[in-house]
Amino acid sequence: KAGVTQTPRYLIKTRGQQVTLSCSPISGHRSVSWYQQTPGQGLQFLFEYFSETQRNKGNFPGRFSGRQFSNSRSEMNVSTLELGDSALYLCASSLGRDFQADTQYFGPGTRLTVL
Amino acid sequence: SQQGEEDPQALSIQEGENATMNCSYKTSINNLQWYRQNSGRGLVHLILIRSNEREKHSGRLRVTLDTSKKSSSLLITASRAADTASYFCATGNFGNEKLTFGTGTRLTIIP
Repeated sequence: KAGVTQTPRYLIKTRGQQVTLSCSPISGHRSVSWYQQTPGQGLQFLFEYFSETQRNKGNFPGRFSGRQFSNSRSEMNVSTLELGDSALYLCASSLGRDFQADTQYFGPGTRLTVL
Repeated sequence: SQQGEEDPQALSIQEGENATMNCSYKTSINNLQWYRQNSGRGLVHLILIRSNEREKHSGRLRVTLDTSKKSSSLLITASRAADTASYFCATGNFGNEKLTFGTGTRLTIIP
């Protein structure tokens, strides 16, 4: 099976712009989670989608949003970018049967730089 | 928010030696997982241990869990250069978050 793919791999934006990141999960996986990784805050959970519904959300402002399509592909959007949004954004997919004990398979990440 | 703290933050050992890293967490969990990350790339799942388990093995990996001390350890035996990576523990708890990751241990294997 193909792994989790994320596009684009690298992105440079300026403050105030918005950005959309895409994630294609492993075939058959219905859950997609998003994480932000920064040197200062480490890995932090953004949100999780299961069957096109947001099932859980981390502690991030409303500028961070996401959605999931019927084929389980997911996108996350960050509006009004701030310098502090520079990070590696990781997407992970899982079967979704067990809310927290599923093995999560991570994509390579999208590195976002905000100037 | 980060639930787990890994110890040590960095570890360098000779190839062939064993590497042990520890994770402590704060709240009740239903499972704890270990992941490996190579140079800012995606994470690779290594092993999952449920709260009612005390020890688990997978190849050269051995994980222990002590829920009374809220701690876990990951042992990598007979280390190889390819084991050089950052290792993270992640807890699944009864809150809202999918997984809560620790701060990570940077492991360097010296050939």
